[in-house]
Amino acid sequence: DTAVSQTPKYLVTQMGNDKSIKCEQNLGHDTMYWYKQDSKKFLKIMFSYNNKELIINETVPNRFSPKSPDKAHLNLHINSLELGDSAVYFCASSPQSSGGYTDTQYFGPGTRLTVL
Amino acid sequence: AQSVTQPDIHITVSEGASLELRCNYSYGATPYLFWYVQSPGQGLQLLLKYFSGDTLVQGIKGFEAEFKRSQSSFNLRKPSVHWSDAAEYFCAVGSWGAQKLVFGQGTRLTINP
Repeated sequence: DTAVSQTPKYLVTQMGNDKSIKCEQNLGHDTMYWYKQDSKKFLKIMFSYNNKELIINETVPNRFSPKSPDKAHLNLHINSLELGDSAVYFCASSPQSSGGYTDTQYFGPGTRLTVL
Repeated sequence: AQSVTQPDIHITVSEGASLELRCNYSYGATPYLFWYVQSPGQGLQLLLKYFSGDTLVQGIKGFEAEFKRSQSSFNLRKPSVHWSDAAEYFCAVGSWGAQKLVFGQGTRLTINP
């Protein structure tokens, strides 16, 4: 009964490779996010989608491309992986707020990416 | 732009002792404030949130937080910690019109037996 799930949980790959991380939520939420958590535990938003439409792109290199096939899924594809991409990537979702405010976000378990 | 500061990177308390984790935010309007907890190897779980109304909010696991507008603070408290409270705690601020949260750098809590 996982609310927000991510696959894979761990990803180890070589520099220059291309990889994808998948995220699915079964909460019926309209908005989904990708966050990056670095080695110092700092969490920073990368992307946000609302009903399959990109609404936030926080100066992320264009090697990172999110794709939302439907509002329950948000995948992250990374081209030409670099050492600095090593981090934990979290997917999250939240309900559409009718009042325009930021509502509670529900996080997945994270994907630990290690680039060698 | 919003920002969040958690002044304490690491705090150690004894089991059974009281706890206060500090959070200061910077935002021009009424903020929407959250505390999340991250256990080792896990995702983030919401402890509590403040949107409006009573400035003292109750959360899960016996935690509470108090919003003080005059001090731009939203400190997290627990009267008596348990060994299972050892984790990383994140304060976050949201805002009107922006569908994103800005997180503080986190406070790692260690519990001494």
